[in-house]
Amino acid sequence: DAGVTQSPTHLIKTRGQHVTLRCSPISGHKSVSWYQQVLGQGPQFIFQYYEKEERGRGNFPDRFSARQFPNYSSELNVNALLLGDSALYLCASRPGTRLLLYGYTFGSGTRLTVV
Amino acid sequence: GIQVEQSPPDLILQEGANSTLRCNFSDSVNNLQWFHQNPWGQLINLFYIPSGTKQNGRLSATTVATERYSLLYISSSQTTDSGVYFCAVERIWDNYGQNFVFGPGTRLSVLP
Repeated sequence: DAGVTQSPTHLIKTRGQHVTLRCSPISGHKSVSWYQQVLGQGPQFIFQYYEKEERGRGNFPDRFSARQFPNYSSELNVNALLLGDSALYLCASRPGTRLLLYGYTFGSGTRLTVV
Repeated sequence: GIQVEQSPPDLILQEGANSTLRCNFSDSVNNLQWFHQNPWGQLINLFYIPSGTKQNGRLSATTVATERYSLLYISSSQTTDSGVYFCAVERIWDNYGQNFVFGPGTRLSVLP
């Protein structure tokens, strides 16, 4: 079974540009979350989507947005990139059942460098 | 918001040694997960352990939710155990909304 897949794996952008990161969850997983991990720190929560609706948002500016598609894949968009947006962006999925019997499975991440 | 602390921040072991990593959290949580992040950035799920004890090979974990801590035990460490170990706790704000709060991690180096 394929795990959580993210694309691209690496990306270099210039300040002020826009970026779109993509995530395909494990088949059957309806909940997708995005995290930002700055070098040397733990991941920070950005968004959670379940059944195509935003269910949670972390403390990030409005330059960050996301959406989930009918096939449960997801995109994270960042506008007006800043140097401080350089980080590893991680996507995670889980079945999304109420019983919460399962933990999250993370993808390998997209490493974004803003120059 | 909830605070997560991990100790020690750094740990250097000789191959074959045992170790215990600790995670403390400031409030009641719904769930807790331990991850290992390898040098390529991949977060590998080790344990999903809201309470109790679980074992998987050389690794085991114990969570005492009432006392707000969890422990990760690594026995007979190997060089491939090197990396950063994260504890993440989960708060649920409705039936479907979930959010993991990660600790700062413990960086483990196992020397041959």
